[in-house]
Amino acid sequence: EVKLVESGGGLVQPGGSLRLSCAASGFTFSAFGMNWVRQPPGRGLEWLSFIVGVGYTSHYSDSVRGRFTISRDNAKNSLYLQMSSLRADDTAVYYCARRGNYMSGAFDVWGQGTVVTVSS
Amino acid sequence: EVVLTQSPGTLSLSPGERATLSCRASQSVSTLGWYQQRPGQAPRLLIHGVSRRAPGVPDRFRGSGSGTDFTLTISSLEPEDFALYFCQQCDDDSPPYSFGQGTHLEIK
Repeated sequence: EVKLVESGGGLVQPGGSLRLSCAASGFTFSAFGMNWVRQPPGRGLEWLSFIVGVGYTSHYSDSVRGRFTISRDNAKNSLYLQMSSLRADDTAVYYCARRGNYMSGAFDVWGQGTVVTVSS
Repeated sequence: EVVLTQSPGTLSLSPGERATLSCRASQSVSTLGWYQQRPGQAPRLLIHGVSRRAPGVPDRFRGSGSGTDFTLTISSLEPEDFALYFCQQCDDDSPPYSFGQGTHLEIK
């Protein structure tokens, strides 16, 4: 079964840091680009970051560039999001999502999400 | 950066009716996806490449459009179709892969 499982969410104070993880299984992880997407409470989806399957090429949204860093360890089938200088408006459910190779770039597999709350 | 605007924000219909959801891009995009999100669940890919259904998606879901105007049509609503729907531009060469703000399809 193709699966993504996020972890690492929790309560963090403004200005703090947090590292999210996404464990992949059921597919050749290195063959796929991966993304982080978030959804604030009661709101829509916001794409945050993308990293290629092999190598270090990555992209970021303006809202997180310079504060968040995406990375991956293909040997561990894992994707990461290092978040720093967190603000209240970073509070959201954070999803990892696979960019489908034969899906015209759409995100064909999603994790269940991990909740990040930024509050004092 | 491509900005996607979905309309309407909320669509109230009854089971069996036809739903038409719109997604307009601020500039021409070459590929678009549609996602469904039920309460408490992760998004699910419905349509990729403007009009191709993802595996397992019923044929009552149809994507169409080109350039800046795209449509998701659900031919005859089933109870499980009442959910949130998002469009997304997925152009390889044009991150950010932005989403529309969503359309809430609710039971009338």
